Amino acid sequence: EAQVTQNPRYLITVTGKKLTVTCSQNMNHEYMSWYRQDPGLGLRQIYYSMNVEVTDKGDVPEGYKVSRKEKRNFPLILESPSPNQTSLYFCASSLYGVGVTEAFFGQGTRLTVV
Amino acid sequence: GENVEQHPSTLSVQEGDSAVIKCTYSDSASNYFPWYKQELGKRPQLIIDIRSNVGEKKDQRIAVTLNKTAKHFSLHITETQPEDSAVYFCAAIEGGGSQGNLIFGKGTKLSVKP
Repeated sequence: EAQVTQNPRYLITVTGKKLTVTCSQNMNHEYMSWYRQDPGLGLRQIYYSMNVEVTDKGDVPEGYKVSRKEKRNFPLILESPSPNQTSLYFCASSLYGVGVTEAFFGQGTRLTVV
Repeated sequence: GENVEQHPSTLSVQEGDSAVIKCTYSDSASNYFPWYKQELGKRPQLIIDIRSNVGEKKDQRIAVTLNKTAKHFSLHITETQPEDSAVYFCAAIEGGGSQGNLIFGKGTKLSVKP
């Protein structure tokens, strides 16, 4: 089944403890991206990647890192999480750019930083 | 950069009525405008999109219109049904092209009353 898989689905952590949220797609998509969703603010893009080893900042990249060493994986890294990073995170992938082909979203990761 | 405004933030209609959600954008180079539907607790899913070379696109009960001169686009849902209840997001690509930052509106919560 074609899908975008995020792990974990739920995570509670403490301030400053490094964490990684994984994202994997099995559709051989070139384009992958990360969003955070907050009430009243909609979806905001954190980082995106047009292909392996190519990443770019989105709208709200501060406090986040990403890497794209393989086509299928695009992990989101929070080196030192803070409470303002408590949010619902979505990974998405698209065959090519989001302006060319449909973006498919993962099931979401709800992160709480205390 | 691109700014996408979406109205209204909440919309309540009776089953069978029509619903209209409007978005404006600021970047005249934007050329791709998708609409996503997010049901409660689920991931966003693309329901329809439109490119800047067309003014209207329909898919059964859903239609999207685009006015490039005025820089606004709208989602129209006819004969609404309870299963149309969800949060709807409009989006636009920053700077045009096929890749890059997808900027979302803040969302419209649509409630369809039986």
